[in-house]
Amino acid sequence: EAQVTQNPRYLITVTGKKLTVTCSQNMNHEYMSWYRQDPGLGLRQIYYSMNVEVTDKGDVPEGYKVSRKEKRNFPLILESPSPNQTSLYFCASRQSLSGNTIYFGEGSWLTVV
Amino acid sequence: GENVEQHPSTLSVQEGDSAVIKCTYSDSASNYFPWYKQELGKRPQLIIDIRSNVGEKKDQRIAVTLNKTAKHFSLHITETQPEDSAVYFCAAGDGNEKLTFGTGTRLTIIP
Repeated sequence: EAQVTQNPRYLITVTGKKLTVTCSQNMNHEYMSWYRQDPGLGLRQIYYSMNVEVTDKGDVPEGYKVSRKEKRNFPLILESPSPNQTSLYFCASRQSLSGNTIYFGEGSWLTVV
Repeated sequence: GENVEQHPSTLSVQEGDSAVIKCTYSDSASNYFPWYKQELGKRPQLIIDIRSNVGEKKDQRIAVTLNKTAKHFSLHITETQPEDSAVYFCAAGDGNEKLTFGTGTRLTIIP
């Protein structure tokens, strides 16, 4: 079954404590992205990756890091989380330029206190 | 960068009527325009998309139109049903992975 798996699904953490949200896809997709979803702001792209070792900033990259060492994994790293990073995060993947369907993960609810 | 505006933010229609959601984009280089449906508590799912070399695309009760000159595109849902109630997002992309979403439209179908 085609899947994009995110972990953790729910997390409450404290300001400044580094955390990583993992993302893994089993479809051998080249393209992967991270989005955050906030009320009234829709989905905003944080970072994206077109292939292994190729990453680029989206619209709201500040405070986040990513890495793409393997094709299937695309972790999102918050080095020093702050309360304004409290949000719902989605990882997504897509096969290629001609592959239209973006597969989203189930989402990760992150609260920073 | 790209800026996508979506209207209206909320929309209520009687069951069986049509619903139209409109989006405008700013970057003339954008060439891919998908629409996503997000039900409460769930992930967004692609419902239809269109590329810049096409003016209209239809899939059963759902259609999307694109006006490249005016830089706007619209989602049309005909014969609406209660299960169409959800939040709908438009997006504009550059053909790579860069994708900018609109702020969403909460569609409510009134039985």
